[in-house]
Amino acid sequence: DTEVTQTPKHLVMGMTNKKSLKCEQHMGHRAMYWYKQKAKKPPELMFVYSYEKLSINESVPSRFSPECPNSSLLNLHLHALQPEDSALYLCASSQGWAGNTIYFGEGSWLTVV
Amino acid sequence: AQTVTQSQPEMSVQEAETVTLSCTYDTSESNYYLFWYKQPPSRQMILVIRQEAYKQQNATENRFSVNFQKAAKSFSLKISDSQLGDTAMYFCAFMKHRRGNEKLTFGTGTRLTIIP
Repeated sequence: DTEVTQTPKHLVMGMTNKKSLKCEQHMGHRAMYWYKQKAKKPPELMFVYSYEKLSINESVPSRFSPECPNSSLLNLHLHALQPEDSALYLCASSQGWAGNTIYFGEGSWLTVV
Repeated sequence: AQTVTQSQPEMSVQEAETVTLSCTYDTSESNYYLFWYKQPPSRQMILVIRQEAYKQQNATENRFSVNFQKAAKSFSLKISDSQLGDTAMYFCAFMKHRRGNEKLTFGTGTRLTIIP
C-alpha cells in the first residue's frame, strides 16, 4: 500500500481548462516531488520542494504551476495544457536528506484533449 | 552529468528461475546512491533495493540482490526464484550524495516478463 496518495487517478481536460493534481503524504517527509512519465519512458523530474520551498525546477513550462501548502501536501496546477502534456504524473516524497529513498504514489493519468 | 544505461529493453524467464538485469552508469562523483525500482502494470514505482556507493557489501532484500562493481560502474539486479508478481518494468536509478539535490536519474528500463 502506498503512503503517498494522489488524486484524481484519472483526469481528462481540455486545452482551455484549469485543473489541479493533488498529493498527500503522512510519513513526516520534508521533500516532495513531481515527476512526469510518458508511455514506455522513465520518469522525468519536474519539481522538488524541500521544507516547503521550491528547490528544483527542471525548466518546466509555466503552464505547470506547483504549490506546497504545507509539508504534507503538494499540488500541481494545470492551465492551458497541450495534448503532448498527456502523461502519467507521479508524486513522490522523501525525508529530504541526500541519499534518502524516494517513495512514489500511484500517479495521476492526465489526458489533454 | 550522470547517465544510467540499461542495455536490455526486454527479458523473459520461466517462473522459479533466476534472472539478472544489467545496469551501468557514468559519474564523476565519488559518493552516491543506486536504486532499483519496479513499475508493474498498476504503474506505481516501487523500491526494490538500494545501495550506498561507500559500502562494499552488496545489498540484499529477500529474493533480490545486487552485484555492485564500483570500479566498473556496474549495478546489476539478480532476482532469484522468480514469481509471476515480478513481471514489471525495472528501472535502475542514480542519486548524488549532495544535500539539496535529491534527484533520481533513471535508466530507460528493462521490461521483465515471468512466464508461468
